[in-house]
Amino acid sequence: EAQVTQNPRYLITVTGKKLTVTCSQNMNHEYMSWYRQDPGLGLRQIYYSMNVEVTDKGDVPEGYKVSRKEKRNFPLILESPSPNQTSLYFCASSAGTVYNEQFFGPGTRLTVL
Amino acid sequence: AQSVTQLGSHVSVSEGALVLLRCNYSSSVPPYLFWYVQYPNQGLQLLLKYTSAATLVKGINGFEAEFKKSETSFHLTKPSAHMSDAAEYFCAVSEPWGGYQKVTFGIGTKLQVIP
Repeated sequence: EAQVTQNPRYLITVTGKKLTVTCSQNMNHEYMSWYRQDPGLGLRQIYYSMNVEVTDKGDVPEGYKVSRKEKRNFPLILESPSPNQTSLYFCASSAGTVYNEQFFGPGTRLTVL
Repeated sequence: AQSVTQLGSHVSVSEGALVLLRCNYSSSVPPYLFWYVQYPNQGLQLLLKYTSAATLVKGINGFEAEFKKSETSFHLTKPSAHMSDAAEYFCAVSEPWGGYQKVTFGIGTKLQVIP
């Protein structure tokens, strides 16, 4: 089954404690993204990757890092989380051309205390 | 970059009534437009997409959308709402970006279906 998986689904942490949210896709997609979803703001792109070792900032990259060492995986790293990063996070992948739809993971709900 | 406006962050309809969710985009080039649906505690999934083949696009679950260039709109409709349609709906526009795509989402519209 074609899918995007994320782990963990729920995470409660404290300010400053480094964390990683994993994302994996099994569709051999070149393009992967991370979004955060906040009430009233819709989805905002954090980072995206066009291929292995190629990443770039989205609209709200501050406080986040990513890496793309393998085509299927695109982890999101918060090195020093703060309460304003409390949000619902989605990983997505697509074939990458302008007319391709994105496939989304189930989401990770992060709370930073 | 393009922008997407969804009028009405919350829409309520009675079961069996027409569903109309509005989406307007700004674009200086022909756009690629998408509607996604998000059910509670789930990720987004594609409802339908416009890629210039036909102005009236049919999607899953009886939804359809009409691309109107003169109005820069891509409104989503369904003739008769079901309780299972209660969800959040996102309009999105895709544009070429460095050989790939940049996707911009609207803020979403939560649809409530009243029995």
